[in-house]
This record gives sequence, structure tokens and C-alpha cells, in this order.
Amino acid sequence: EAQVTQNPRYLITVTGKKLTVTCSQNMNHEYMSWYRQDPGLGLRQIYYSMNVEVTDKGDVPEGYKVSRKEKRNFPLILESPSPNQTSLYFCASSPDPPSSYNEQFFGPGTRLTVL
Amino acid sequence: KNQVEQSPQSLIILEGKNCTLQCNYTVSPFSNLRWYKQDTGRGPVSLTIMTFSENTKSNGRYTATLDADTKQSSLHITASQLSDSASYICVVSGRNTDKLIFGTGTRLQVFP
Repeated sequence: EAQVTQNPRYLITVTGKKLTVTCSQNMNHEYMSWYRQDPGLGLRQIYYSMNVEVTDKGDVPEGYKVSRKEKRNFPLILESPSPNQTSLYFCASSPDPPSSYNEQFFGPGTRLTVL
Repeated sequence: KNQVEQSPQSLIILEGKNCTLQCNYTVSPFSNLRWYKQDTGRGPVSLTIMTFSENTKSNGRYTATLDADTKQSSLHITASQLSDSASYICVVSGRNTDKLIFGTGTRLQVFP
């Protein structure tokens, strides 16, 4: 089944404790992206990747890192999480960048709470 | 500034009724417009994608319209069902950009 998977789905952590949220897709997509969703603000892009070893900042990249060593994986790293990073996170992938006509597939989401 | 605005913010309708959700955008130059359905706590799922040259697109009981001149889109839901209860998000992509611009969504509740 074609899908985007994220792990963990739920995470409660404390300020300053490094964490990684994994994202994997099995559709051989080149474009992958991370978003956060907060009440009343809609989805905001954190980072995106056009292909292996090619990443770029989105609208809200502060406090986050990403890597794209393999085409299928795009982990999101929080080196020193803070309470303002408490949010619902989504990974997404598509064959090409959004300016193309291709559908973007979203993962199930990771709900992160930073105490 | 590129923006996408949706209205209403929330909507309550009775099962079986029709409804229309609105989306206005300022993204230019325009590439495509998407409507997503998002169930609570789950990832968005694509309903339709339309380019500049398309002004109507249907997906079952969902019909999206696009007026690229006025930069407006609507999503019409026919004969609503309880399972239509969700947030509906309008998303716009500009030409020559690697980003999507998201509206804040319309939360639809369908009651029996």
C-alpha cells in the first residue's frame, strides 16, 4: 500500500531533550516536506526537500533540523525542544514540487507535547 | 503577500443538505489550487487539484470551482453525510515555487 508513515504518533517530552520524528514514504517520491499545525494557524511548512541531500527552509524552520540521506526517509530533528514546539506535525511527499499537478500525500501526524 | 483565506470558519448543517465553502487567494503567479479534507487528528487527504485552465472539477459528491480572474474557489458538497464532518482546507501553489500556501480551513459539522 502506498503510504507515508511517521513515528512516533504521540510523544511527550521535556524541554531540552533531543528527539527525532521519523518519516518514510514507499512511493519513490522526490519531494518531501514537514509541516506543523496549530489551532487557528493552519499548516505551516518547516522544511522541505527536493531530492536526496537537497533540503531547504520553509516558513518556520527555527529550532528544527532535517536530513535526506535516502530518498524514502526524511527525519525531523529537534535538538533542544521547547514548549512552543508543542504541535501536531505532518510529513508529506509528492512526485514533484507543489507547482506541478501532482497530489501531495500526508502522513498520519505526530502529536508532540514539550513540557 | 501570498495568502489564502477561507470562509466560513465553521459551519453546521443537517445530514442530506448541501453546502458551499469559499476560498479567496492572493497568490500570484498562480499554478494550482487544491482542496483537502482533514478528519480530526489525521493527515489531510486530497479531494481535487485544479490548474488555471480548469474551472470545475468533481470528486463524487464534492465539486470544486475555480475563477482564476477573481482568485476565488468554492467547494460544494452535495447531499451531506455524517462522514463529511471534517475540516476542509484550501491550498494554493504559485508558479516557480516549491511551497504550498494553506488556508486555515473550514470546520464542517454534519448532524443527523
